[in-house]
Amino acid sequence: GAVVSQHPSRVICKSGTSVKIECRSLDFQATTMFWYRQFPKQSLMLMATSNEGSKATYEQGVEKDKFLINHASLTLSTLTVTSAHPEDSSFYICSAPGQGGNTEAFFGQGTRLTVV
Amino acid sequence: QKEVEQNSGPLSVPEGAIASLNCTYSDRVSQSFFWYRQYSGKSPELIMSIYSNGDKEDGRFTAQLNKASQYVSLLIRDSQPSDSATYLCAPRGTSYGKLTFGQGTILTVHP
Repeated sequence: GAVVSQHPSRVICKSGTSVKIECRSLDFQATTMFWYRQFPKQSLMLMATSNEGSKATYEQGVEKDKFLINHASLTLSTLTVTSAHPEDSSFYICSAPGQGGNTEAFFGQGTRLTVV
Repeated sequence: QKEVEQNSGPLSVPEGAIASLNCTYSDRVSQSFFWYRQYSGKSPELIMSIYSNGDKEDGRFTAQLNKASQYVSLLIRDSQPSDSATYLCAPRGTSYGKLTFGQGTILTVHP
């Protein structure tokens, strides 16, 4: 079945550095992908919609210059957290819309980012 | 008012009991609703989807939708310890696959 692969699963970086997270659709094409962030004991909050070949659409309150999204191909979207700070430490999850049937969305495995 | 609100929990039920999870939503335009289960440190996994008013049953799970009341619920019968997780209610947003999640209800099923 359709799978979304997210990499890395865990990353620790120093404050002030940038981190790139990849989200790949493995056996289907995704013109749209979604990026969510989840802080401990909180729900998933949509950060942005990644659009293949065009600019991402950011949700209110999400800094587009800090969270750079690139969707250069039909199978890959990347989220780069620039100049990361400890408050950016979170669980980042990507998803792609389902391919019909009963599955609304396919989720990546998530990336646990820790900024020290 | 939050877009999606769930009963705060945590909810603790004995093994074999029925667990009842509730969710209300504010966007009357929403037509599709999903219940996800999330284990700690993992991504959400789809449990149930429901699109029409009424009940939908799938094994031990029953989803109920009342669009007039903007209410959706999930019943888990014969609860098992493996059902212990956070349950997320999620109406579809403005496009397919775009979900707005509630804050989640933590369910603990104790032996």
